[in-house]
Amino acid sequence: DQQVKQNSPSLSVQEGRISILNCDYTNSMFDYFLWYKKYPAEGPTFLISISSIKDKNEDGRFTVFLNKSAKHLSLHIVPSQPGDSAVYFCAAREGTGANNLFFGTGTRLTVIP
Amino acid sequence: DTAVSQTPKYLVTQMGNDKSIKCEQNLGHDTMYWYKQDSKKFLKIMFSYNNKELIINETVPNRFSPKSPDKAHLNLHINSLELGDSAVYFCASSRYGQPQHFGDGTRLSIL
Repeated sequence: DQQVKQNSPSLSVQEGRISILNCDYTNSMFDYFLWYKKYPAEGPTFLISISSIKDKNEDGRFTVFLNKSAKHLSLHIVPSQPGDSAVYFCAAREGTGANNLFFGTGTRLTVIP
Repeated sequence: DTAVSQTPKYLVTQMGNDKSIKCEQNLGHDTMYWYKQDSKKFLKIMFSYNNKELIINETVPNRFSPKSPDKAHLNLHINSLELGDSAVYFCASSRYGQPQHFGDGTRLSIL
């Protein structure tokens, strides 16, 4: 049973525009959420995270929003750049001491020059 | 310098064989992990290992056994390989409770 879901397998955006990647989760015990970026033939790279006590976290062009009542989070990339083209994975963790990450199946972002 | 390195990058073998994948991290992390990414691109935790405590995911068959000679290494041994074991296996490491750093994966193909 998949506890973290990314329902859009792919997304195409024009360079300079905003990219919005969405993620839903079912486990109300999740309290820490992460986004990872993955290029082909490489491992996932940590991008940004958010604790459940916050509803927004920003790091440069990347902002993650968390809506706990809807069990939904999103990653905004503004402005989008061709180098952002990759697969983006949403992940969640239960408890601050927990090790295990639960991943979504990823969204492939293509930024068109 | 590579932070989390896995060898080999590709592994092609026949059903029934026993194989190992090695993982090393030079980040000084105290926790290491093995993940499996299946054909549907679903990345799932298999094991985590923190300061000599192994946390086993109960859905992993006992043909899979992690071995950690020290905090910087976590190897994965797989016995009696089956067709369903074909996947990409990722090693990761972190400080306990911090974001994980991943290796580039080992693509295992069972003939």
